[in-house]
Amino acid sequence: SQQGEEDPQALSIQEGENATMNCSYKTSINNLQWYRQNSGRGLVHLILIRSNEREKHSGRLRVTLDTSKKSSSLLITASRAADTASYFCATVTGGGNKLTFGTGTQLKVEL
Amino acid sequence: SAVISQKPSRDICQRGTSLTIQCQVDSQVTMMFWYRQQPGQSLTLIATANQGSEATYESGFVIDKFPISRPNLTFSTLTVSNMSPEDSSIYLCSASATGPSPSGANVLTFGAGSRLTVL
Repeated sequence: SQQGEEDPQALSIQEGENATMNCSYKTSINNLQWYRQNSGRGLVHLILIRSNEREKHSGRLRVTLDTSKKSSSLLITASRAADTASYFCATVTGGGNKLTFGTGTQLKVEL
Repeated sequence: SAVISQKPSRDICQRGTSLTIQCQVDSQVTMMFWYRQQPGQSLTLIATANQGSEATYESGFVIDKFPISRPNLTFSTLTVSNMSPEDSSIYLCSASATGPSPSGANVLTFGAGSRLTVL
């Protein structure tokens, strides 16, 4: 079953705008990761945030984690057409090594 | 990070037949996983491919339907057996170069996927 629910399901913005997508999960986690999937391709790891971290940055990406609300958000600043893709959160729980993926957000960045 | 090659990239198969998907990693990896992704949907873990032993299947997936091999640290196969149209999906191979850690930091690299259509 899905651990993460993401919203919005779809997001359309203009180039240069910021895009924010949210992920909620159900059980305690070790870490939460965000992946990008371009149409017809595999997933690419973007960023990982551990359960004891609250915010993390990588280039134009900013991830926050609120373990009390069991939620995370991914912010992409100054979006580009090349950011058009589906974005998935994924969680690792317990002492395991498996990732459970959320439902995904389809981002479209228009010129 | 590792580079994963999957083949075939796509195939159209007849009901009742079987198809084997190959996954080759360019370096030795600890963990390999097989996921299924139906069009426009999220990923569902099928199984963990264990080197030299039987795969570990998730609930709802069985070895008779999805036999998996992993003869070494760089290669794995997934077979979709006795296919039906419901098996039409994208099958994704993934790998982690590091084993499970106390922090559970298991970052995955994915192949491009194998798009399977069953008629």
